[in-house]
Amino acid sequence: GAVVSQHPSWVICKSGTSVKIECRSLDFQATTMFWYRQFPKQSLMLMATSNEGSKATYEQGVEKDKFLINHASLTLSTLTVTSAHPEDSSFYICSAMTGQGSYNSPLHFGNGTRLTVT
Amino acid sequence: DAKTTQPNSMESNEEEPVHLPCNHSTISGTDYIHWYRQLPSQGPEYVIHGLTSNVNNRMASLAIAEDRKSSTLILHRATLRDAAVYYCIHITLGALTFGGGTRLMVKP
Repeated sequence: GAVVSQHPSWVICKSGTSVKIECRSLDFQATTMFWYRQFPKQSLMLMATSNEGSKATYEQGVEKDKFLINHASLTLSTLTVTSAHPEDSSFYICSAMTGQGSYNSPLHFGNGTRLTVT
Repeated sequence: DAKTTQPNSMESNEEEPVHLPCNHSTISGTDYIHWYRQLPSQGPEYVIHGLTSNVNNRMASLAIAEDRKSSTLILHRATLRDAAVYYCIHITLGALTFGGGTRLMVKP
């Protein structure tokens, strides 16, 4: 089945530094990838939709200059948390769709990245 | 917003069927209904999806109401490994909003 690989699975960084999270579709091409954030005991919150070769679309309230998204190829999207602060500590999850923009196909999720900012 | 409503939690006994309900009253005619489940510290896992007709796969069955404003995920025989948070979502023009989900607890 379709596999989405997310790396790293966990990262600890100091306040003020930047962290890059990678999301790869291993056996399919993903024109669209999605980035979510999840706080403990809460649901997933969509941060942005990433389209290959174009600018990401951010959800209301998500700072695009803080959460930089790059989707330079059909198999790789990256999320960079810039100047991270402790309140950015969260579980970040990416997902990709196998279909060509059709929602008649499953979303495949990475295993998430646990970010802890000290 | 594409919002869904699910009970916060449900309990089941092992080996018994489980029916997980979801209300999606704002669904539009072309929205697919998707179900995912999530174990602690993992990304969600796809369970099943459908549009109008009931669907079956090796994991579960999906029963969709005739007016499509609600659906039920059916696990035919719950196992301890089915304990997870189950999310139903309907996808509208790219909006992928997850509701609160249902935490399913399975008792041995």
